[in-house]
Amino acid sequence: GAVVSQHPSRVICKSGTSVKIECRSLDFQATTMFWYRQFPKQSLMLMATSNEGSKATYEQGVEKDKFLINHASLTLSTLTVTSAHPEDSSFYICSAPRTSNEQFFGPGTRLTVL
Amino acid sequence: GQNIDQPTEMTATEGAIVQINCTYQTSGFNGLFWYQQHAGEAPTFLSYNVLDGLEEKGRFSSFLSRSKGYSYLLLKELQMKDSASYLCAVRGRGTGRRALTFGSGTRLQVQP
Repeated sequence: GAVVSQHPSRVICKSGTSVKIECRSLDFQATTMFWYRQFPKQSLMLMATSNEGSKATYEQGVEKDKFLINHASLTLSTLTVTSAHPEDSSFYICSAPRTSNEQFFGPGTRLTVL
Repeated sequence: GQNIDQPTEMTATEGAIVQINCTYQTSGFNGLFWYQQHAGEAPTFLSYNVLDGLEEKGRFSSFLSRSKGYSYLLLKELQMKDSASYLCAVRGRGTGRRALTFGSGTRLQVQP
């Protein structure tokens, strides 16, 4: 069964609103989680590393004030897309390493900004 | 930085064998992953290699040569449901750097 959950699976919102996406590790603790973004017919691009108890680390070109990440507990990380615009429409996927050689992905969240 | 190359598309016949290659250039290496991704879904884990050699798991096998910066995923007894994108991903070195860098993916089309 799934080891990483993500909620919601799909969201449609108006331009200018904020959207929160949750990522949970279901049967293990994850001090680190990763947030990726995937545009149609493209591969996954790492956005940021979520660290429990400290600030997230953002990849170059990703605005930290626009994509707020909070690693609230050892099993939960949230990504908030603030003031969303149509160009933010994408497939957002989180992942969490369970062991050194296992990294599992959540089912993804498809965001559509009108 | 990291650079990962894999073919964009491949076509194979049901019941056959297909090999998907991946080459990488990285400043630090700590493992290579293969994932399968169906359209509109999240990637699912297929295999992991950190040492040279072949890892076999049912119909899927993955090979790694670190000196050559090369890996391949071998799919045997192809089924129609194997039509998907296959993503090669490399993990960088360092305890704080367990994020994966993905190749662009190979779209495999299995034909009857």
